[in-house]
Amino acid sequence: GENVEQHPSTLSVQEGDSAVIKCTYSDSASNYFPWYKQELGKGPQLIIDIRSNVGEKKDQRIAVTLNKTAKHFSLHITETQPEDSAVYFCAASLHNNDYKLSFGAGTTVTVRA
Amino acid sequence: GAVVSQHPSRVICKSGTSVKIECRSLDFQATTMFWYRQFPKQSLMLMATSNEGSKATYEQGVEKDKFLINHASLTLSTLTVTSAHPEDSSFYICTGQNQETQYFGPGTRLLVL
Repeated sequence: GENVEQHPSTLSVQEGDSAVIKCTYSDSASNYFPWYKQELGKGPQLIIDIRSNVGEKKDQRIAVTLNKTAKHFSLHITETQPEDSAVYFCAASLHNNDYKLSFGAGTTVTVRA
Repeated sequence: GAVVSQHPSRVICKSGTSVKIECRSLDFQATTMFWYRQFPKQSLMLMATSNEGSKATYEQGVEKDKFLINHASLTLSTLTVTSAHPEDSSFYICTGQNQETQYFGPGTRLLVL
């Protein structure tokens, strides 16, 4: 099955700086890669996703890049703010009949004011 | 975006009792819903795939007789933890599948005394 690795496990950045989280996946057939943000005590919220036919996608301060050849994808948060502090999970799935997601271990991001 | 609700948000029960958790898609029909559990500071572990009108598909190591799943309508899936024990204490989260994206509910915190 699919194996997703995520780095780093923790990330501390100064407010206004950028944060980058990287993930690798093992199954070259995976074609959908969402990113979720989870605040303490809450369910994960989808913040951005990318499909394998696209190399990069941006939504305001958040961007995701995908390198299919190397089987890795990254989340970039620019101009970080204290409210960006949360746990971020990457995931990968093969869009066949079951749409199962394989999650990375998560990255705890702390934005220092 | 698509909205998924869960009820209850928090439950405390005695060992040996059964607990039912409801997962509802509020503004879309979810043919497929997924159930996850999450231990503190850990990633999301898929328990089972719930398909409307058919039996749930359980992941390896998840006891189907202990975690009963019913998906009787396109907007409701229920998870019943039968004869709960302290080791079942966890954060249970469901998702509703809307096209290719999974949307998470807010989660249910279960504490078994």
